[in-house]
Amino acid sequence: AQTVTQSQPEMSVQEAETVTLSCTYDTSESNYYLFWYKQPPSRQMILVIRQEAYKQQNATENRFSVNFQKAAKSFSLKISDSQLGDTAMYFCAFMKPSGTYKYIFGTGTRLKVLA
Amino acid sequence: DTAVSQTPKYLVTQMGNDKSIKCEQNLGHDTMYWYKQDSKKFLKIMFSYNNKELIINETVPNRFSPKSPDKAHLNLHINSLELGDSAVYFCASSSGSGTSGAFETQYFGPGTRLLVL
Repeated sequence: AQTVTQSQPEMSVQEAETVTLSCTYDTSESNYYLFWYKQPPSRQMILVIRQEAYKQQNATENRFSVNFQKAAKSFSLKISDSQLGDTAMYFCAFMKPSGTYKYIFGTGTRLKVLA
Repeated sequence: DTAVSQTPKYLVTQMGNDKSIKCEQNLGHDTMYWYKQDSKKFLKIMFSYNNKELIINETVPNRFSPKSPDKAHLNLHINSLELGDSAVYFCASSSGSGTSGAFETQYFGPGTRLLVL
């Protein structure tokens, strides 16, 4: 069974600085997808970025980028030029693209951006 | 214009009651999900329907019964509510039709905070 681990329950970063959130996963699959979702205090789950395992190039979305290390089963999220609005819970998720397509979520990292 | 909507957003009720949470998506997606987020923020899949057919039923008490009248709606009915059912329940949808290799991004509703007293 797949598992997803986020080892940093809480983190903080100064506004305009860069922060990296870690995520590791365990799977025997070769093809899968990884996601980072953001959950601000409003509770809404918002997709931040996604990565397809068969793509070697790391995904980027504006200030958000990932460092995907398939052999190490690591999928970290880097937030550059942190903004106050980035304050949220961040969840890493794994999905196998067959069968049920369900997400396996990590336990989340609470990120606080300080003014 | 809301893509995935849930009603109600908040639900406070007494132990032993029966309640329903409704979910609707206007994205034309084939697959819908229910997740439970507990007090420690842990998110876990409960159910999934694809074109009105149940495809995921995790180890959820049978007091929870999903119903999908059409592929745009997935409702969650909970009988005999217990204190431990207090949580935030998220509905989500994705476009996948179960075809192997299809790439799915799930879009989430705003969540329903259920408090059982």
